[in-house]
Amino acid sequence: AQSVTQPDIHITVSEGASLELRCNYSYGATPYLFWYVQSPGQGLQLLLKYFSGDTLVQGIKGFEAEFKRSQSSFNLRKPSVHWSDAAEYFCAVGYTGTASKLTFGTGTRLQVTL
Amino acid sequence: GAGVSQSPRYKVAKRGQDVALRCDPISGHVSLFWYQQALGQGPEFLTYFQNEAQLDKSGLPSDRFFAERPEGSVSTLKIQRTQQEDSAVYLCASSLRAFANEQFFGPGTRLTVL
Repeated sequence: AQSVTQPDIHITVSEGASLELRCNYSYGATPYLFWYVQSPGQGLQLLLKYFSGDTLVQGIKGFEAEFKRSQSSFNLRKPSVHWSDAAEYFCAVGYTGTASKLTFGTGTRLQVTL
Repeated sequence: GAGVSQSPRYKVAKRGQDVALRCDPISGHVSLFWYQQALGQGPEFLTYFQNEAQLDKSGLPSDRFFAERPEGSVSTLKIQRTQQEDSAVYLCASSLRAFANEQFFGPGTRLTVL
């Protein structure tokens, strides 16, 4: 069964510092990969997605992610974090043949210190 | 509407009661998904509709859970004889096409079973 691992449950960074959130997925021939952000009491907002093509994808709010097939990873990065980025971040994977059903990781809670 | 809406936003039920959760997807979206998000966890897939057809219900945890989308737009998730372990946030998502498409999430319904 497909699975997603987000090894960091909680990360704290200082405002202005760089950020990298890790995501690894179980092997799949053609994964579709997503990063979502969830603020308290809110639904999930899509930050970026990878379907095919360029392995470095740009998203909203200055986020980017790089797909590395050899490492089964899709890590999220941001060069300079803002206090408003504090939230829960979820990596998700889908595969062809599963009608876009997504499997999510357990999430990484980001705290930003001023 | 501009986005996916869900109602009610909060629901408190006594154990054994039946509940119905409503989802209004983005107009014209073919696919509709229900996910369950337990506290501190990522969303987990429950069921999937393509128009009015329920194509995948593999994630429904028991036969007490039932979902429908009779006219291919609004969907209802019904839980019969609620149990404490049903307490969670229930998220609805829709996507424009049937396959390999980003999903847009609603704010969720937080269900608390006492």
